[in-house]
Amino acid sequence: QVQLVQSGAEVKKPGASVKVSCKASGYTFTGYYIHWVRQAPGQGLEWMGRINPNSGGTNYAQKFQGRVTMTRDTSISTAYMELGRLRSDDTAVYYCARDMGTGGSFDYWGQGTLVTVSS
Amino acid sequence: SSELTQDPAVSVALGQTVRITCQGDSLRSYYASWYQQKPGQAPVLVIYGKNNRPSGIPDRFSGSSSGNTASLTITGAQAEDEADYYCNSRDSSGNLVVFGGGTKLTVL
Repeated sequence: QVQLVQSGAEVKKPGASVKVSCKASGYTFTGYYIHWVRQAPGQGLEWMGRINPNSGGTNYAQKFQGRVTMTRDTSISTAYMELGRLRSDDTAVYYCARDMGTGGSFDYWGQGTLVTVSS
Repeated sequence: SSELTQDPAVSVALGQTVRITCQGDSLRSYYASWYQQKPGQAPVLVIYGKNNRPSGIPDRFSGSSSGNTASLTITGAQAEDEADYYCNSRDSSGNLVVFGGGTKLTVL
């Protein structure tokens, strides 16, 4: 069965960076885009960007350009999202999600990773 | 425009029909997908494409689209349908994705 398993919760200081991993299993990792979506406490879903695990090509939301980097390691079927220059308003649950192939329909989601930014 | 607009809250009586809408320019070119999210859980895809349900999603969930508006309809709402619902689609460029602000559905 398809699974996306994310790394554990993180606590970071303002100005630091965080790297969240998303390990895929149960399907061909290189066959489906992985997207990253975040949700601040009590707020809605916010799309951050996507990576093509086959080519490594990325697209980022304008809001995060220059601050986010998405990468992958095909040898271990894992995608990564690194967010730098953290601020308190980056405190959120970060999700990875698999694109089923339509460009915006996410059929499987990771369990979420809580990133807390606090001094 | 790269925005999708949803009503913040909608309520429905148990067993009745409710429509949740999503408006945005990108919906003239791309279908919306719909997600259900319950507290403390990851979102779950309920509708994608023209009107497709992933395996395991009850057939009381359906989707439709007209012009710049996509709709999610729940026919015969159940107590377990009480949740937040989000739409998303590609943006007008086709390379990015945008989410609506979400609709909190209350089943009375």
